[in-house]
Amino acid sequence: KNQVEQSPQSLIILEGKNCTLQCNYTVSPFSNLRWYKQDTGRGPVSLTIMTFSENTKSNGRYTATLDADTKQSSLHITASQLSDSASYICVVTAWNSGNTPLVFGKGTRLSVIA
Amino acid sequence: GAVVSQHPSRVICKSGTSVKIECRSLDFQATTMFWYRQFPKQSLMLMATSNEGSKATYEQGVEKDKFLINHASLTLSTLTVTSAHPEDSSFYICSASSGGLSETQYFGPGTRLLVL
Repeated sequence: KNQVEQSPQSLIILEGKNCTLQCNYTVSPFSNLRWYKQDTGRGPVSLTIMTFSENTKSNGRYTATLDADTKQSSLHITASQLSDSASYICVVTAWNSGNTPLVFGKGTRLSVIA
Repeated sequence: GAVVSQHPSRVICKSGTSVKIECRSLDFQATTMFWYRQFPKQSLMLMATSNEGSKATYEQGVEKDKFLINHASLTLSTLTVTSAHPEDSSFYICSASSGGLSETQYFGPGTRLLVL
């Protein structure tokens, strides 16, 4: 069964600190992996997308890594800001899997406090 | 990146009424649009996939007669919740893709539905 597991479920950090969010998946065949940021009451916004051959991808203070062998990904946030408080969702796309190619994780709820 | 809008952003209605939610792709032609539902602290759950000009494909457990989807043009899809009940209260999010099912999906800002 295609699944995406994220950890931790929630996280509280002080402003300015770094943090790393984890994503493990069992989706096969793998097409790509995306990290989204979802603010409360808003739709998800794409942060990064990585295909099988990519190990790391950066977008400003966000750096995503992918290990396709172990089927793990991480999202590292550097020098966190209050505006980083949101849910971060890991989404894995299955290749050619019909109508439901996207498999969503439940997200990690990040709270950045002053 | 591509922009997807939804209208309304939030709606409150009485039980038994029908509610229509619009999803528009503002700067690209969306071959495929998706409708999701998200309950508090849960991940997005795909409800249906619609291709322009054809009938929507619904996920297992989603009542097609209750959640009517119309994708009449390449920039507009609508979701109508018919005879809404309190258990239909949720956050409804659409996404749009310009390509196949595995292409990048751009998400709308969501619509918060509260049925009293």
